[in-house]
Amino acid sequence: DQQVKQNSPSLSVQEGRISILNCDYTNSMFDYFLWYKKYPAEGPTFLISISSIKDKNEDGRFTVFLNKSAKHLSLHIVPSQPGDSAVYFCAARDTGNQFYFGTGTSLTVIP
Amino acid sequence: NAGVMQNPRHLVRRRGQEARLRCSPMKGHSHVYWYRQLPEEGLKFMVYLQKENIIDESGMPKERFSAEFPKEGPSILRIQQVVRGDSAAYFCASSSGTPGVQPQHFGDGTRLSIL
Repeated sequence: DQQVKQNSPSLSVQEGRISILNCDYTNSMFDYFLWYKKYPAEGPTFLISISSIKDKNEDGRFTVFLNKSAKHLSLHIVPSQPGDSAVYFCAARDTGNQFYFGTGTSLTVIP
Repeated sequence: NAGVMQNPRHLVRRRGQEARLRCSPMKGHSHVYWYRQLPEEGLKFMVYLQKENIIDESGMPKERFSAEFPKEGPSILRIQQVVRGDSAAYFCASSSGTPGVQPQHFGDGTRLSIL
């Protein structure tokens, strides 16, 4: 039972353009959402988070949007850089402090 | 200013043996999570611990798996009588406070292979 879903396993974007990574969830009780970036053979690295009481959070080139009615969040990276090429995981926290991760989207930024 | 340290990075065991995975959280962090990642899948929550206490182990199989986070020393994930299906990457994460508000910091994982 996958409560957090990333339906696009991969995404390719030209350098300088916007990357949009999507994530859907099913549990309306999730109160915190996070995005992580992962390189091969390394652990995930925290990127950005958003509370369920907000609809947008921005940090430099990274912006996360939350649409609670649609149970959807997205990560925008602009402008995309080759170093952004990695696997991106979205995660959601339930009220019991348990985290649920999506299956990841592999982003390739083409120079 | 070391991050989360996991060892070993790679562990090979034969079926029926025991696997012990260690995680030293970041300095000052008292919250530890263990996750398992199977090939082509996301991270699956296993257990959440604070010092000397298991807070939530609902993601951990009831048999053969156990975890601890003693007052002194690293957190240990123990898998007894390993089977082929235990082959996966096991990640540990730590935080200084309630995760979510305080982001989790992940180690680089232990890749467990069962022969």
